[in-house]
Amino acid sequence: DSGVTQTPKHLITATGQRVTLRCSPRSGDLSVYWYQQSLDQGLQFLIQYYNGEERAKGNILERFSAQQFPDLHSELNLSSLELGDSALYFCASSGGQGSTSGRFYNEQFFGPGTRLTVL
Amino acid sequence: GENVEQHPSTLSVQEGDSAVIKCTYSDSASNYFPWYKQELGKRPQLIIDIRSNVGEKKDQRIAVTLNKTAKHFSLHITETQPEDSAVYFCAARENSGYSTLTFGKGTMLLVSP
Repeated sequence: DSGVTQTPKHLITATGQRVTLRCSPRSGDLSVYWYQQSLDQGLQFLIQYYNGEERAKGNILERFSAQQFPDLHSELNLSSLELGDSALYFCASSGGQGSTSGRFYNEQFFGPGTRLTVL
Repeated sequence: GENVEQHPSTLSVQEGDSAVIKCTYSDSASNYFPWYKQELGKRPQLIIDIRSNVGEKKDQRIAVTLNKTAKHFSLHITETQPEDSAVYFCAARENSGYSTLTFGKGTMLLVSP
């Protein structure tokens, strides 16, 4: 168990709908990262938050948005869903810049993921 | 931005053989290179990482080598076991500010008993 939690574990919805994925980072970690994993695209970085502020954006669609709350949990909002949005969504957390959490330099700890199926 | 290429996409070996997975990166400013292992249906987990001031790092049966001049790094697994079967991802990160990881597309390693 990495200490990162994600809910829900599975989500099935229809095209055009909107969903919210939730992530709680490890205790003490300030950074949260969101990734999308589909079969042919590997792990695609979407967005990073650090202590409540957006820090970096990757290949995140305009239909997607995220935020990090004062208690450091984060939510990823996906709207106007399309079939191609079906994927496994991971969040990861780390201790922030220069952290030496764990036995590796600035390790990112991944949550168990949310599997989104859009029908 | 950074671009990471990973090869091969699949690798089949017999138990006890060695396995090598190679990655190249494009941004010479990148100086942190982690490797993640993802078992079927599970989360990626960091297994080893290397910083650019080090050429090689070993941890029991796994090792990573880095060639900064050529901008490539490799994962070496010796004495492979069936439980090593998984997808392995390499990644690269520029060590400045809050730079993020760019992942390769992954290598599915299959170790046959």
